[in-house]
Amino acid sequence: NAGVMQNPRHLVRRRGQEARLRCSPMKGHSHVYWYRQLPEEGLKFMVYLQKENIIDESGMPKERFSAEFPKEGPSILRIQQVVRGDSAAYFCASSPISGNTEAFFGQGTRLTVV
Amino acid sequence: QKEVEQNSGPLSVPEGAIASLNCTYSDRGSQSFFWYRQYSGKSPELIMSIYSNGDKEDGRFTAQLNKASQYVSLLIRDSQPSDSATYLCAVLRDSNYQLIWGAGTKLIIKP
Repeated sequence: NAGVMQNPRHLVRRRGQEARLRCSPMKGHSHVYWYRQLPEEGLKFMVYLQKENIIDESGMPKERFSAEFPKEGPSILRIQQVVRGDSAAYFCASSPISGNTEAFFGQGTRLTVV
Repeated sequence: QKEVEQNSGPLSVPEGAIASLNCTYSDRGSQSFFWYRQYSGKSPELIMSIYSNGDKEDGRFTAQLNKASQYVSLLIRDSQPSDSATYLCAVLRDSNYQLIWGAGTKLIIKP
C-alpha cells in the first residue's frame, strides 16, 4: 500500500530552466494539494486539484507556475524559468474523494536553483 | 482574520509535563479537524483527527474539540524530547473539502 509518492526527492536547476515536480496520490485518492515551504517557515498553500480540475489556485503565483492533475498519471507542478527564490521544499498531499478524511503527505521535493 | 489560527510559539515544556497546543478556526460549518506533526526537514505526518465535540484519546495524545467556541486543542501527556516539533492544525472547509492550515506551533520539550 504505497503512500503518496513524490519525485524527484531532490532537484537542482539553473536559473531560467524548467522544474517539473510529480506527485502520485495514494490509491483511491482523487484530491491533491501542493504546498511550498521555505526553511524555518510554515506550509504555504499553492493549489488544490481534483482529477482534471483546478479547484483553488489562489496560492500559486500568476506567472511561471502551473499545475495539473490529469485523468491518468500523476499530478504535475511545473515551474518555468526558475529563479533563486523558487528554492524550497514542495510538498504534495492527497485525500479521498469524500470529506471527513485525512490527507497524507509525500516526502517532498527539495528544489535548489543555482 | 485568518481562517485557522495558532500561536507560533515556541512553546517550551519540561520533559514529563503536559504540552497544550491550541487552534481556533472561523468557518462554523467545518466538521473535520486534524493535527499534524512536522519535524525539521521532514514532511508533516498525521497524528490525530477529530470530528465530534469532546475529547479523543490516542496513547499520550488527546484532541479536544469545541465547535461552539470554534476551538480545537491537542494535549500531549508525559512529554518527551522526541515530541519537539512543529504541530500543525488543519481544518477541512465544508464548502469544497479544502484543507485550511494554521501556521503551526513550534514545541520544545526540555530534558
